[in-house]
Amino acid sequence: QITLKESGPTLVKPTQTLTLTCTFSGFSLSTSGVGVGWIRQPPGKALEWLAFIFWNEDKSYSPSLMSRLTITKDTSKNLVVLTMTNMDPVDTATYFCARPYFTSGLAWDYWGQGTLVTVSS
Amino acid sequence: DIQMTQFPSTLSASVGDRVTITCRASQRTNSWLAWYQQKPGKAPKLLIYKVSSLESGVPSRFGGSGSGSEFTLTISNLQPDDFGTYYCQHYNSYSWTFGQGTKVEIK
Repeated sequence: QITLKESGPTLVKPTQTLTLTCTFSGFSLSTSGVGVGWIRQPPGKALEWLAFIFWNEDKSYSPSLMSRLTITKDTSKNLVVLTMTNMDPVDTATYFCARPYFTSGLAWDYWGQGTLVTVSS
Repeated sequence: DIQMTQFPSTLSASVGDRVTITCRASQRTNSWLAWYQQKPGKAPKLLIYKVSSLESGVPSRFGGSGSGSEFTLTISNLQPDDFGTYYCQHYNSYSWTFGQGTKVEIK
């Protein structure tokens, strides 16, 4: 059974750095072709892809947010960490981690429940 | 970057209706196009991948089609549980783009 779960602060202040952790089970990031990514959704708005990391350490970032994002993984602990610097109220959103599957054309087939992060002073 | 434009933004339909949602890419794309259903307060659920492949466990009343720059999600025989917001998503070269969403309401 594949599961993913996000954890991190629910409230951050403007200009602070956000660190979110995705803990997963049911698959391994040491397996060829496997990756984990982050997607966010501001309240009442659309989904926005943020970042992605592959089993071989290849990474990709949303061009519009690339300068603020870092994604890393700890294969032994089955977790992926996303950091976003210089947080602003417009970054208030539910942040999801998810797994894209090669057979599914890298569509996101498993998702965490999401964690709401509010940016406010 | 490829932009994905979805329409309509909202639609209201009756149980049993056939519903079509369109997703248009800003340029011709590959066939790595997926559709998701999202209910309030929940994570999106994958329905269709690679334009027309039905995800395991998804009812066969959901169907996807299209090519080039225009893709459609069709729900035949709309059911009460089909309410929610539907998103298209395109993948290319380690980059994912979502449409703005279509909210489906049941009359």
